[in-house]
Amino acid sequence: EVQLVESGGVVVQPGGSLRLSCAASGFTFDDYAMHWVRQAPGKGLEWVSLISWDGGSTYYADSVKGRFTISRDNSKNSLYLQMNSLRAEDTALYYCAKDMGYYDYVWGSYRYDAFDIWGQGTMVTVSS
Amino acid sequence: EIVLTQSPGTLSLSPGERATLSCRASQSVSSSYLAWYQQKPGQAPRLLIYGASSRATGIPDRFSGSGSGTDFTLTISRLEPEDFAVYYCQQYGSPWTFGQGTKVEIK
Repeated sequence: EVQLVESGGVVVQPGGSLRLSCAASGFTFDDYAMHWVRQAPGKGLEWVSLISWDGGSTYYADSVKGRFTISRDNSKNSLYLQMNSLRAEDTALYYCAKDMGYYDYVWGSYRYDAFDIWGQGTMVTVSS
Repeated sequence: EIVLTQSPGTLSLSPGERATLSCRASQSVSSSYLAWYQQKPGQAPRLLIYGASSRATGIPDRFSGSGSGTDFTLTISRLEPEDFAVYYCQQYGSPWTFGQGTKVEIK
């Protein structure tokens, strides 16, 4: 069964740090780019970060750039999000999601696509 | 950054009716890199449509997507009880962005 399971969400004080994890199973993890997406309580979806299939490229939303770091360990089929200098506005349910794109060997680049597999999310609350 | 604006914010319809949801982009979405997701309360989003018009695996054919450039539409031909949910459009480029969502509620 294709599955993503997030963990690591807790209550943390403003200015604190946290690392989220996402365990993947049921597919060839190192073939795909991966994303983090968050959803504040009662709000819509906000894309947070992307990491390429090999970890060589990363992208961030402006709202988290310089504070969050995405990484992956393909030997462990795991995705991570290191969150530093946390703010109240970072309070949200954090989802990891699999990009359904592929590496185009003809053009020598990854073709990003939609997010076909999502975890159930892990809740991060930033509060004193 | 491409901003996606969805309309209407809420759509009140009865089972069996047709639902038409709109997603407008602030600039052209390249290669129709536009997706639609469904989210029910307490659940993760589910991919419905990618590439503006291709249905994801297992999605019923009452769901269809259309459009190009800056204007995209998700149509649900006949609403089933399980279709009442929030729908998001998304463009996948750098940075990736979502619309604010359209809630389809039972009238």
